[in-house]
Amino acid sequence: GAGVSQTPSNKVTEKGKYVELRCDPISGHTALYWYRQSLGQGPEFLIYFQGTGAADDSGLPNDRFFAVRPEGSVSTLKIQRTERGDSAVYLCASSPQFGFSGANVLTFGAGSRLTVL
Amino acid sequence: GQNIDQPTEMTATEGAIVQINCTYQTSGFNGLFWYQQHAGEAPTFLSYNVLDGLEEKGRFSSFLSRSKGYSYLLLKELQMKDSASYLCAVRAMDTGRRALTFGSGTRLQVQP
Repeated sequence: GAGVSQTPSNKVTEKGKYVELRCDPISGHTALYWYRQSLGQGPEFLIYFQGTGAADDSGLPNDRFFAVRPEGSVSTLKIQRTERGDSAVYLCASSPQFGFSGANVLTFGAGSRLTVL
Repeated sequence: GQNIDQPTEMTATEGAIVQINCTYQTSGFNGLFWYQQHAGEAPTFLSYNVLDGLEEKGRFSSFLSRSKGYSYLLLKELQMKDSASYLCAVRAMDTGRRALTFGSGTRLQVQP
């Protein structure tokens, strides 16, 4: 697609429930990133994929968080047993490749706002 | 790890010039990025510096000094639409995190 698409744009859930957030990156972008942003803060890194594999998942806060990218395109961030502290905007970004040559600019989606009641 | 500092808030007047500073500490530095983020919207790319010096792009310029771990974003001829948060982000080649690490952002308010 023309840009990074994220669904849903808003999700309200109850504490303890399971949620899935979807990201459809720019066509042809091999690198995909998930960030989390709380109000008044910068994006906080969660995980990135190079192709189908998670190249770095060191930002995932605990084992309730998991992400997949089975075919190297669309990715899903999964959160089990949600807690109120998980409330944030979850941003997805993609770039042409993961590398250190050139800018390799990340293009962000509009985010999925998660509210855990 | 990486540590990035930038002022929390700044206020400036329409038509003026404003400089937003960013200091960072990292090993294996491989590029500094500035992003603009309007409230409720996605961050959008503004500039990229990997070598020392000034990069100019229209009303926006970005400067980098790697030896000082310092960058600034310069916005000229401020417009009301420039009211937004400005995020400084660093990329590093060290064995830790390889994706961009962002600062907390500087919220700029442009007044008439």
